[in-house]
Amino acid sequence: KQEVTQIPAALSVPEGENLVLNCSFTDSAIYNLQWFRQDPGKGLTSLLLIQSSQREQTSGRLNASLDKSSGRSTLYIAASQPGDSATYLCAVRENNNDMRFGAGTRLTVKP
Amino acid sequence: EADIYQTPRYLVIGTGKKITLECSQTMGHDKMYWYQQDPGMELHLIHYSYGVNSTEKGDLSSESTVSRIRTEHFPLTLESARPSHTSQYLCASSEYRGSPTNEKLFFGSGTQLSVL
Repeated sequence: KQEVTQIPAALSVPEGENLVLNCSFTDSAIYNLQWFRQDPGKGLTSLLLIQSSQREQTSGRLNASLDKSSGRSTLYIAASQPGDSATYLCAVRENNNDMRFGAGTRLTVKP
Repeated sequence: EADIYQTPRYLVIGTGKKITLECSQTMGHDKMYWYQQDPGMELHLIHYSYGVNSTEKGDLSSESTVSRIRTEHFPLTLESARPSHTSQYLCASSEYRGSPTNEKLFFGSGTQLSVL
């Protein structure tokens, strides 16, 4: 059964720092991987989607990479801001079309 | 960008009550989903639908039911709420564009349910 793991569970950084969030998955038979942001008590906002044939996607200060063979993805956030504070979740779409989610990394960016 | 509306945002009710959580999307997506999320935990799929008159149960055993009479509407009903149903419920939709590799999931703002 596919397992999606996000380490660390929580991360605190000073404003302006570049940071990397990690996502690993156990079964490389996936269609895509999606990164989401979730603010407390809210739904999930889609940040980036990487198709299985792609290596990376960029949107503004965000860059997501995918290494399907090793079962890893990273979300790079450049020049972090307090407004980036949120929980970041990754999810893989398996080849049976099920979505599997990680538990998320709770990011705090201190002013 | 995607629009998915969930109502109510918060609901506090007593044990044994029947409740319906509403979800509507304006994007014309065929697929819709209900997820349950507890604090700090991953999302668990409880119901999904591939289109009108299609409903399926997800991974998580649930005492809820769903219906899909119209493409845009996917309500979730609990016939008799219990304290164990206290959780956040998230509705989502996705559009199949010929290949699942670019199928993207969009979420509503969620309903936080508390059963006393």
